[in-house]
Amino acid sequence: DADVTQTPRNRITKTGKRIMLECSQTKGHDRMYWYRQDPGLGLRLIYYSFDVKDINKGEISDGYSVSRQAQAKFSLSLESAIPNQTALYFCATRTGRSTEAFFGQGTRLTVV
Amino acid sequence: DQQVKQNSPSLSVQEGRISILNCDYTNSMFDYFLWYKKYPAEGPTFLISISSIKDKNEDGRFTVFLNKSAKHLSLHIVPSQPGDSAVYFCAASAPSFGNEKLTFGTGTRLTIIP
Repeated sequence: DADVTQTPRNRITKTGKRIMLECSQTKGHDRMYWYRQDPGLGLRLIYYSFDVKDINKGEISDGYSVSRQAQAKFSLSLESAIPNQTALYFCATRTGRSTEAFFGQGTRLTVV
Repeated sequence: DQQVKQNSPSLSVQEGRISILNCDYTNSMFDYFLWYKKYPAEGPTFLISISSIKDKNEDGRFTVFLNKSAKHLSLHIVPSQPGDSAVYFCAASAPSFGNEKLTFGTGTRLTIIP
């Protein structure tokens, strides 16, 4: 089983719909991140959380919200999806003692 | 403002030869650098890292070089193998300055030609 699991792996949704992407981890890490990958732009940080009570905006948080339901779970929501949110989304975790981050397998989201 | 830049979107190298991937950064506060490797349909996986107190770090076939004065780092893979074909991302952070977020470059697609 993967240490960082993202669900769903693929999703097609319509403009204006609300959608939630979920991430769970078994590594016991306190820090969790959501990134999005677009062609030619690399990975950009959407939101990050250092613990259950600590949520921070990344560089491209507009149009997104997050919830840290437990240390092991961090979900990303698009309240009203728009086509330019079509991208590959990655969840990542790390411990405070290391800079190395561990990534999930990604969720490919298409907004039509 | 792209603080971490990988100016070569793609690179092709013959099997057995050396692959050199380059990365430049603009933020002088960055003091820790990482390389990630990504295969299609998978998440990025950590490859190798280097702290700014060093100028070289080696792990098997992979070596990362850091030139702080030029704000430049490079990843050398020798000898290159077909399994090295992937997208490589350079990333940087500033943990010593309280900024633990990873800032990624745009990636370089490496293709190893058998």
